[in-house]
Amino acid sequence: QQQVKQSPQSLIVQKGGISIINCAYENTAFDYFPWYQQFPGKGPALLIAIRPDVSEKKEGRFTISFNKSAKQFSLHIMDSQPGDSATYFCAAWGNQGGKLIFGQGTELSVKP
Amino acid sequence: ETGVTQSPTHLIKTRGQQVTLRCSSQSGHNTVSWYQQALGQGPQFIFQYYREEENGRGNFPPRFSGLQFPNYSSELNVNALELDDSALYLCASSLGPTPYEQYFGPGTRLTVT
Repeated sequence: QQQVKQSPQSLIVQKGGISIINCAYENTAFDYFPWYQQFPGKGPALLIAIRPDVSEKKEGRFTISFNKSAKQFSLHIMDSQPGDSATYFCAAWGNQGGKLIFGQGTELSVKP
Repeated sequence: ETGVTQSPTHLIKTRGQQVTLRCSSQSGHNTVSWYQQALGQGPQFIFQYYREEENGRGNFPPRFSGLQFPNYSSELNVNALELDDSALYLCASSLGPTPYEQYFGPGTRLTVT
């Protein structure tokens, strides 16, 4: 019930295309859903986040879509660029003593 | 404003040894969370320190312990190292014990042989 399941494990997209990464959760107590971007040799960096009272949030080329009834949320990267090539993690938090639960990660490769 | 820093960058230890990893939080942040990231996996929450007190712990054995100092920097100590402890150890700082605006350091790569 504490898990966050992320798919796909890896993704190859052509430059200019749309990258879509999906996550699913079980615990309805989760109320904050961030996405992190991690480059090799670096720590994760917060990309965008959403609360469950909103169905969509957009920041530049990055959009989170949230489906509360299905307990699913996804990251869309529009006009994907080679510089977006990184590992992306979804996460969830539900006021459990600071515990942020991460998905398994998606390795995105954007081909020029 | 300085970011989150961690030391050392890399570390090689032998099974059974003890290790201490260090983290300096971002200026103004009073909360530090530690995560273990195994190769090809997402980070797993170890514990969080808020104003020098442990404020939550993940599913890690007691040989993983921590400390937060008055300047909010933090240490992660691991005793009796096992091969499976080989991972990237990340710390993240935030203003308050919430996940909002949690900033990660670059991590310490620990290899246990």
